[in-house]
Amino acid sequence: QSVLTQPPSVSAAPGQKVTISCSGSSSKIGNNFVSWYQHLPGTAPKLLIYDNNKRPSGIPDRFSGSKSGTSATLGITGLQTGDEADYYCGTWDSSLSAGVFGGGTKLTVL
Amino acid sequence: EVQLLESGRSLVQPGGSLRLSCAASGFSFSSYAMSWVRQAPGKGLEWVSGISGSGGSTYYADSVKGRFTISRDNSKNTLYLQMKSLRAEDTGVYYCAKVGGWAPEGYFDYWGQGTLVTVSS
Repeated sequence: QSVLTQPPSVSAAPGQKVTISCSGSSSKIGNNFVSWYQHLPGTAPKLLIYDNNKRPSGIPDRFSGSKSGTSATLGITGLQTGDEADYYCGTWDSSLSAGVFGGGTKLTVL
Repeated sequence: EVQLLESGRSLVQPGGSLRLSCAASGFSFSSYAMSWVRQAPGKGLEWVSGISGSGGSTYYADSVKGRFTISRDNSKNTLYLQMKSLRAEDTGVYYCAKVGGWAPEGYFDYWGQGTLVTVSS
């Protein structure tokens, strides 16, 4: 059981929008920044969003992040088949002094 | 260009030891915290350990505390993970990750390609 809760899977058609939720507790998401990663099997994970809602250079604005209380959300608009991947949220657990990830969400673009 | 290159894949017996290395280049190594993240077969990402830029602060997941030791040699731009008393559940791909700041609490902006560790008799 992962420390942060994500839906196991989401799906949508090309061109549509999808959101992926990530919930935790006050010691995790509540008091720390959230980041999001895209992971294709056999490759290195890729940073999509950091500090809740900032995009690294090179990440298109189709990807967005938000946080409210002890939950965070990743949004992806204009879905493309190339977006099919596993998506993970991550943060720091202040009570454990340890990093934590969500269980991951598999995105299928129908 | 930031590059993180982990050591080659390894097969080790249960109860055995192994040291992973991650050679870093393309950034001021000592200015950034580093972490190890792993992925067991068919499972999600799991944070394993983190270390501050100076090496003075280290942090561990409960699942590896007391068995794994993270360290760094800033003169060699290299991160290490010494693993002891290995168990079958330690099997997985281990990623070296650069933290976007000096302290380990931040996000991971660059990742290595990963190295496969298999614990099996």
